[in-house]
Amino acid sequence: DTAVSQTPKYLVTQMGNDKSIKCEQNLGHDTMYWYKQDSKKFLKIMFSYNNKELIINETVPNRFSPKSPDKAHLNLHINSLELGDSAVYFCASSPNPQGGGYTFGSGTRLTVV
Amino acid sequence: AQSVTQLDSQVPVFEEAPVELRCNYSSSVSVYLFWYVQYPNQGLQLLLKYLSGSTLVKGINGFEAEFNKSQTSFHLRKPSVHISDTAEYFCAVSGSGGGADGLTFGKGTHLIIQP
Repeated sequence: DTAVSQTPKYLVTQMGNDKSIKCEQNLGHDTMYWYKQDSKKFLKIMFSYNNKELIINETVPNRFSPKSPDKAHLNLHINSLELGDSAVYFCASSPNPQGGGYTFGSGTRLTVV
Repeated sequence: AQSVTQLDSQVPVFEEAPVELRCNYSSSVSVYLFWYVQYPNQGLQLLLKYLSGSTLVKGINGFEAEFNKSQTSFHLRKPSVHISDTAEYFCAVSGSGGGADGLTFGKGTHLIIQP
């Protein structure tokens, strides 16, 4: 029974397209996140949502928009995809406060061609 | 704000030898510390975490780490490594004051186990 699940696992798309990545957690956690892992494997937080409220929005292009229909879901929508958006995107969740640690999904490898 | 420095981008070790992966952090507030492992083409798996209490933390797969506040370090150790330990290891930090500030990661250390 997967704790944090992301779909799709792989996504290949052309420049200029709009795409979404879905994330669901069944842990009852209050906070969800999106992280980006670049080609050098560096991980950086993009967004976090706490009870459907955006808490952090790092310096991410506004082509990226998180959408949370409820506490268990945090989807990532990307408009006008660019080559530089190619990366692995990880969804994660944590209880609030975060002492329980963070649980990560298995990642979505996005390739923009 | 926090930052994490993993001093070695790559560590080659012979099988059954001990290993230490170094991690230093910087923060103006109290922190929680984590080590994650990422096997090739897989997600992130939590190895261990320090929240409070004993500074020596034991994790999965025989790994342990020691929190040293004065040296702002959280080095990861294993007394005897196996081929299956070949992976990327990430040290991470978050503020301990609550809220949703997420994790700040180091750049990772690639552990290479040589037969």
